Order: sequence, then C-alpha cells, then structure tokens
Amino acid sequence: AQRVTQPEKLLSVFKGAPVELKCNYSYSGSPELFWYVQYSRQRLQLLLRHISRESIKGFTADLNKGETSFHLKKPFAQEEDSAMYYCAPKMQQTGANNLFFGTGTRLTVIP
Amino acid sequence: NAGVTQTPKFRILKIGQSMTLQCTQDMNHNYMYWYRQDPGMGLKLIYYSVGAGITDKGEVPNGYNVSRSTTEDFPLRLELAAPSQTSVYFCASTQSGGTTDTQYFGPGTRLTVL
Repeated sequence: AQRVTQPEKLLSVFKGAPVELKCNYSYSGSPELFWYVQYSRQRLQLLLRHISRESIKGFTADLNKGETSFHLKKPFAQEEDSAMYYCAPKMQQTGANNLFFGTGTRLTVIP
Repeated sequence: NAGVTQTPKFRILKIGQSMTLQCTQDMNHNYMYWYRQDPGMGLKLIYYSVGAGITDKGEVPNGYNVSRSTTEDFPLRLELAAPSQTSVYFCASTQSGGTTDTQYFGPGTRLTVL
C-alpha cells in the first residue's frame, strides 16, 4: 500500500544551521515527488518538485530510490523558513495518479 | 485572479445536519480536489474531478458527495454530519493533473461537528 512517512513532527534549528527534513515513501512504482509548504497564515503551496531538479529558497531535495527517500535540505536555515512542510509523492490510486501527503514537519528556526 | 476560494471559513454543525462546502477557482483548471486534514495528520483525498461532469472517489469518500457541473465550481456535500467529519477541508485545483503540475490550494474550511 502507498505510504508516506515524515518521522519528525517538530524540528527546531538555529538560524544559519543546516536543516534536513526527512521523507520516506512506500510504493512499488516510481512516483513523482513534491514538497509543499505552509507558512503561517498562508495557503499550502508548492515548494519544489523533484523532476525540475530545482533549488527554491535555498532548498533542494534528493531522491534516493534505494532508500525510497526524498529528504529536503538547506545548508543555512533562515527565520523565514519557519513553516509546516509536507512531503507529497504522486502515486497511483484507484486508477489515477494523485498526491499522497505525509503528516508534515513543523520547522522552527530559532534566531 | 482570486485563485481558489472556499466558503465558509468556519462552520459548526450538529450531528445529523447536512451542509455544502463551496469551492470555486478562476484559473480555468480542469482538475479539482477535495482533501481533509485531521489534527496531526496529512491531507487525505476525499474526491477529485478531472473535468466538468466527471468525478471520482479518493482515499476517504464515505459520508461525502460531490458534483462538478461547471469548470469553476466543485462543491462538497456532507449528508448526516458525524463527529468523525470534524476536520479542516481544503479544495485544490490544477491544470491537467500531469506529473509535474502544481496544485493550488484554497484557504480551507474548519468544520466542527458536535
């Protein structure tokens, strides 16, 4: 069965420190992978997608097919990175490819 | 563009009551989705639609109904509300549902069933 695991509900780091938000997924195929973010009092929005190999706001995400992981990383955390982060692979369910959301990690960057 | 709008923002229902959560998007997107998010959990897909007149069940459809008579609107109907339906409901839309498409989310509706 499809499953998405974000093991850390809460993560606190100091400003300037590296940050890594973990995501593991369980799926027999090769999903397309996304990270969504929700800043305080804002809507859930796309942060980055794996297929674009992009770096957004200094964040990157590396796919490890062997470990079925898609961890989100940033070398130097900023206060404005404080938010709720959701890993969301797109996996097939009932005939369609839909997003499956993890439970989220609340990142707090301490000044 | 207003993007995806949802009404109401908050609602309290009594057990057994019914209501419709409204969702409208002005981006001419074909795909629309309804999710629910329970406390401490991720979003779970309730229903989705790939275009006007076409809807399909997601992961947790029981207790809900949807319709898609126009491209813009995708209302979610709760019949016989139960406490288990207390949740935050999000509507989202995307252009084609392809693997690289971005989903655009509404602000959410917080529903409490007492």
